[in-house]
Amino acid sequence: QKEVEQDPGPLSVPEGAIVSLNCTYSNSAFQYFMWYRQYSRKGPELLMYTYSSGNKEDGRFTAQVDKSSKYISLFIRDSQPSDSATYLCAMSRGVTGANNLFFGTGTRLTVIP
Amino acid sequence: DSGVTQTPKHLITATGQRVTLRCSPRSGDLSVYWYQQSLDQGLQFLIHYYNGEERAKGNILERFSAQQFPDLHSELNLSSLELGDSALYFCASSLGLAGHHEQYFGPGTRLTVT
Repeated sequence: QKEVEQDPGPLSVPEGAIVSLNCTYSNSAFQYFMWYRQYSRKGPELLMYTYSSGNKEDGRFTAQVDKSSKYISLFIRDSQPSDSATYLCAMSRGVTGANNLFFGTGTRLTVIP
Repeated sequence: DSGVTQTPKHLITATGQRVTLRCSPRSGDLSVYWYQQSLDQGLQFLIHYYNGEERAKGNILERFSAQQFPDLHSELNLSSLELGDSALYFCASSLGLAGHHEQYFGPGTRLTVT
């Protein structure tokens, strides 16, 4: 079993829709939860991170972490064609553990004008 | 633009050969991470250097090695290349250990082994 599971999609939505992207994980030691966006043939771009459980909002993006369920989500409001990309969740164990990120396989999103 | 640079952008080489991938971190960042991205495995952590010292190893093959130089740039050396080593190789940098969760990725090097 992979430590981080993510539905690969693809996911196709009309412009203006609310998008929900999710990941589950198995390692309860994960403390930091990140979302990256990756356009085709580009490097991953950090969107936002959350420490421990809770919600975080940044413009049209909201990240949620539920550590009790080992489940994280990213919501995109008023989706735009420019949001079309692959979205990767990532997690880490924190400063005292190894600092590398564990990634989901990514969900490919297409927003149709 | 993340501020992380990687060279070369593309590399085509034959099986059995050796290549070197180069990464320059963002100004001020002390940590450099190397990741491999393939279609079937996704992004996999290879190795982490912090201020010139190896900090952690992931799924890095013995044929692969890396180092971080005093000016903080890093190189990933891949030797005895096999067809299965074809992938995108990314480096990422972060301020340090406390800021490890904010990793900024370079544009990647696409390696094709023929």
